[in-house]
Amino acid sequence: GQNIDQPTEMTATEGAIVQINCTYQTSGFNGLFWYQQHAGEAPTFLSYNVLDGLEEKGRFSSFLSRSKGYSYLLLKELQMKDSASYLCAVRDSNYQLIWGAGTKLIIKP
Amino acid sequence: ETGVTQTPRHLVMGMTNKKSLKCEQHLGHNAMYWYKQSAKKPLELMFVYSLEERVENNSVPSRFSPECPNSSHLFLHLHTLQPEDSALYLCASSQGLDTGELFFGEGSRLTVL
Repeated sequence: GQNIDQPTEMTATEGAIVQINCTYQTSGFNGLFWYQQHAGEAPTFLSYNVLDGLEEKGRFSSFLSRSKGYSYLLLKELQMKDSASYLCAVRDSNYQLIWGAGTKLIIKP
Repeated sequence: ETGVTQTPRHLVMGMTNKKSLKCEQHLGHNAMYWYKQSAKKPLELMFVYSLEERVENNSVPSRFSPECPNSSHLFLHLHTLQPEDSALYLCASSQGLDTGELFFGEGSRLTVL
């Protein structure tokens, strides 16, 4: 079966750096997405990786290793507004999106 | 503002009621989706429409009935629901079925009594 694993919850301190990991086992691979979802709000697109390596976008970076079935989202200079759930999703060989259950990130002052 | 609007935001219904959820996208996208989001579980894809044609029905019970009258509007008709159907129902759109990211609405929080 197809599976996406990510930690259920993480806690970090304002101003620090946090890395949220995502491992996947899917039927084929056509890209990996990260979404951010604040409580009571819509998930919003953060990043997309289809080739190995690091994609940087401001304070957020996303890394992909296709051979290891692994990605991470790196958040730098954490702010209180970064408290949210972070969803990892993989597009499989049929172009279906397979979703993880999300990682709830709690930022403490 | 994601360009995808869902109404109502909150809905409480009894098991014998009939209600509908509405989704409208202002992005000119060709694909629209209904997802179910339950606490601590992955998003569950329910239905997919491409150019108003249903292309995916993921073994969803018949008490959920989708309707896509045009490429900008999507409905989810609900009848004789069960308490376990209580969840956040998210609508999303994308440029095509296999291109681009999904744009989500803020969801309709459904409670079935």
